[in-house]
Amino acid sequence: NAGVTQTPKFQVLKTGQSMTLQCAQDMNHEYMSWYRQDPGMGLRLIHYSVGAGITDQGEVPNGYNVSRSTTEDFPLRLLSAAPSQTSVYFCASSYRSNGNTIYFGEGSWLTVV
Amino acid sequence: AQRVTQPEKLLSVFKGAPVELKCNYSYSGSPELFWYVQYSRQRLQLLLRHISRESIKGFTADLNKGETSFHLKKPFAQEEDSAMYYCALIPRGVSNYQLIWGAGTKLIIKP
Repeated sequence: NAGVTQTPKFQVLKTGQSMTLQCAQDMNHEYMSWYRQDPGMGLRLIHYSVGAGITDQGEVPNGYNVSRSTTEDFPLRLLSAAPSQTSVYFCASSYRSNGNTIYFGEGSWLTVV
Repeated sequence: AQRVTQPEKLLSVFKGAPVELKCNYSYSGSPELFWYVQYSRQRLQLLLRHISRESIKGFTADLNKGETSFHLKKPFAQEEDSAMYYCALIPRGVSNYQLIWGAGTKLIIKP
């Protein structure tokens, strides 16, 4: 199993540009999520999905869109990048049930200039 | 409100010294608590969970319901323990998307 794979690892965007962070998992997990990690603020949930066709907002959803057309894939879209979205982004997945181990991708370092 | 607090943003100790990473939580019921670790340039991974009562890489964590704490401890720190540590809580009976994270503590082990 590859686990959770996210791409790209590094990206520099200009303000106003759009881009998609890709995330795929091969563990047949129902639950997938996107977090951003900022210094001093830990992990903040952006969007999550509990299954194909179902998505919902987390703590900081503004400026981001997601979709879940398949169990495996959960892309995160930045529609119009802003400097405030400069961060490290992590995709994660797990079985839905309470307390299951959450598996993370390696992270995507995004800089918006 | 449910909350996880890690009061130390940075903790620096010498190799061989004891380590204690603090985690306090605010939750009225019986939570499940976890420690996740992120080594430099690696992905976040589960270190241990209180329900397992296990010791991983020499680390242990005991749930103290009276003090609402779940501190992570290791008697003798090693340089490879340098990493970012996150404490997380999930209320019983809810799905994983309701996991509540602390802000993290960066642990530096000095040689």
